[in-house]
Formats: sequence, C-alpha cells, structure tokens
Amino acid sequence: EAGVAQSPRYKIIEKRQSVAFWCNPISGHATLYWYQQILGQGPKLLIQFQNNGVVDDSQLPKDRFSAERLKGVDSTLKIQPAKLEDSAVYLCASSVTGHSSYNEQFFGPGTRLTVL
Amino acid sequence: ELKVEQNPLFLSMQEGKNYTIYCNYSTTSDRLYWYRQDPGKSLESLFVLLSNGAVKQEGRLMASLDTKARLSTLHITAAVHDLSATYFCAVDIWSGGSNYKLTFGKGTLLTVNP
Repeated sequence: EAGVAQSPRYKIIEKRQSVAFWCNPISGHATLYWYQQILGQGPKLLIQFQNNGVVDDSQLPKDRFSAERLKGVDSTLKIQPAKLEDSAVYLCASSVTGHSSYNEQFFGPGTRLTVL
Repeated sequence: ELKVEQNPLFLSMQEGKNYTIYCNYSTTSDRLYWYRQDPGKSLESLFVLLSNGAVKQEGRLMASLDTKARLSTLHITAAVHDLSATYFCAVDIWSGGSNYKLTFGKGTLLTVNP
C-alpha cells in the first residue's frame, strides 16, 4: 500500500514570496491533515479536512495560509506571503476517518521550508 | 486548552540500560499514540492506546496508558543504538461534532550510547 506522498521535499524562498505544497493521501483515507513542525517541537495541526470539507482550521494563520482539498483526495497548502517564522517542516497526514473510531494517522515525508 | 507534556525532553542512555519516558496530558482522553521520528524523517506510528490500562509491547519498547492519571509511559528495556530517535506522544481529543484531533508533546530526544 502506497503511503502519503508530498512534494516538493525541500523549498527555499525569500520572505514575502509565495509557496505551495502538495499532498496525496493514502487511497481511501477520508481525513487529511496539514501540520507545521518547527525545529525542536512536536507537530502542530494547521487544518483538517474530512473529504473535501474543512472540519478544523482554528490554528491556521488565515491571513497568509490557505489550503484546499478538491474532490476529496489531493490537497494543497499555500503560504502567501511567507515570513521568516514560517520556516518549518510541513507534514501531511491521513487517516481512514477522523470520526469517533480511532484516529491513527499516517504521515508523509514532509516538506522542509526555509524562508530567507 | 489541552497541554501535553513529555519528560524528559532529552535522554542520553547507555546501551543495555532501562528507562521510561513520561507523557502527561491535561484533559480527559482515552486515546493516545506514540510516534518515532528519525532525524530528517517523518513520523512513524509505534503504538495506539485506546483504553484505560492498555499496554502494548513491540521489541524493547512497551507503552501503557492510565487515563485516570492522564499519564502514558514508554518504557525502554535494554536499550540499543538503533532506538536513538525522537519519540512523541500525541493525545486524541474531541474537537466538535464527531471529529477528533491530535495534540503532540514536544518530543523526547533519545540518544543511546555504546
């Protein structure tokens, strides 16, 4: 079974530029998550999708971050404009469901973003 | 707001020794996960603990959950170098409707020395 795919794996941009990340979850997984992991910390949830609907984006900085999941499969996360503090690894994860049954999440390899 | 605290944050062990990593959390939950992360890699699921008193073992690692104490432990037996990694606990809590979300601890960086 193929895992969660992400691209690109690395990205270096200058502040105020824009950047986009792509994620393809495990086939059949209804729930998709984007996390931000700053060096030395645990992942922080940015946004959670159930199929193509947003169920939690309470920690997404909506003035600069946006995400979509068209057709309930692939997802993109965009930052525009980027700030220095956005330097982090962006992890995508998926689970069969985020509902009351247990919620084991499977993580992709991540995209390491460096903002100069 | 849910707080998930791991300790220690840094752990240097000798091969062959035993040690325990603790994960405390601040609100009611009976679902907890342990993940491993190698440098530059993504998170790998180790254990899923879904009820009070749950105990899971895999090789030299054993995880347990006490929901009344809001405490999970990850016990390492006879450590070997291959166990060197960062270990995260993550607590699953209800986030509204029928949805749950994970909150992670800061991680424990484990280094096993020969």
